[in-house]
Amino acid sequence: DGGITQSPKYLFRKEGQNVTLSCEQNLNHDAMYWYRQDPGQGLRLIYYSQIVNDFQKGDIAEGYSVSREKKESFPLTVTSAQKNPTAFYLCASSISSHSNQPQHFGDGTRLSIL
Amino acid sequence: GESVGLHLPTLSVQEGDNSIINCAYSNSASDYFIWYKQESGKGPQFIIDIRSNMDKRQGQRVTVLLNKTVKHLSLQIAATQPGDSAVYFCAGPHTGFQKLVFGTGTRLLVSP
Repeated sequence: DGGITQSPKYLFRKEGQNVTLSCEQNLNHDAMYWYRQDPGQGLRLIYYSQIVNDFQKGDIAEGYSVSREKKESFPLTVTSAQKNPTAFYLCASSISSHSNQPQHFGDGTRLSIL
Repeated sequence: GESVGLHLPTLSVQEGDNSIINCAYSNSASDYFIWYKQESGKGPQFIIDIRSNMDKRQGQRVTVLLNKTVKHLSLQIAATQPGDSAVYFCAGPHTGFQKLVFGTGTRLLVSP
């Protein structure tokens, strides 16, 4: 079945540690996105990629990094510079980056601090 | 800046009733909206979308209404079932940029 796979489902980070969240899609979508979801807030855009080998910062990119070496994959690294990383992280993809296209989401990774 | 929001944080209905979830937006140039359903511990699931050249669009047990005059859209769920219990939120385009803005969500609680 086509879809978006995020792993791991749960992740724990120690102080000073970088962690990487995986996102893979087999929908042949050009655009991919990373969002952060906190209780009582709407989704906030961290990074997005319109096409392979290209990505741009979203609204809250500080303390995060991404790469887009393959069309199917868009991993997110939460660096030690992100002082409040505890959140639910969602990856999404869409056929193109035009805002008149639906984004389809994975089932998220919940990141917590040890 | 642009905003997309929802009117009520929680909506409680009885099984079998019709549910109406509302969303307001600020950008009059917005031309596309999406409704998502998010169950606990899962990612948002696409329900239905609507473009600004339409006032109404129907899916299976769901209807979205768009009122561009007052910048308001609603999601109607017919014959609400316990499996409909989730957080529902709308999304719309951000002006001048190719991204979506998401509302905070309404939690729909369905009681038997």
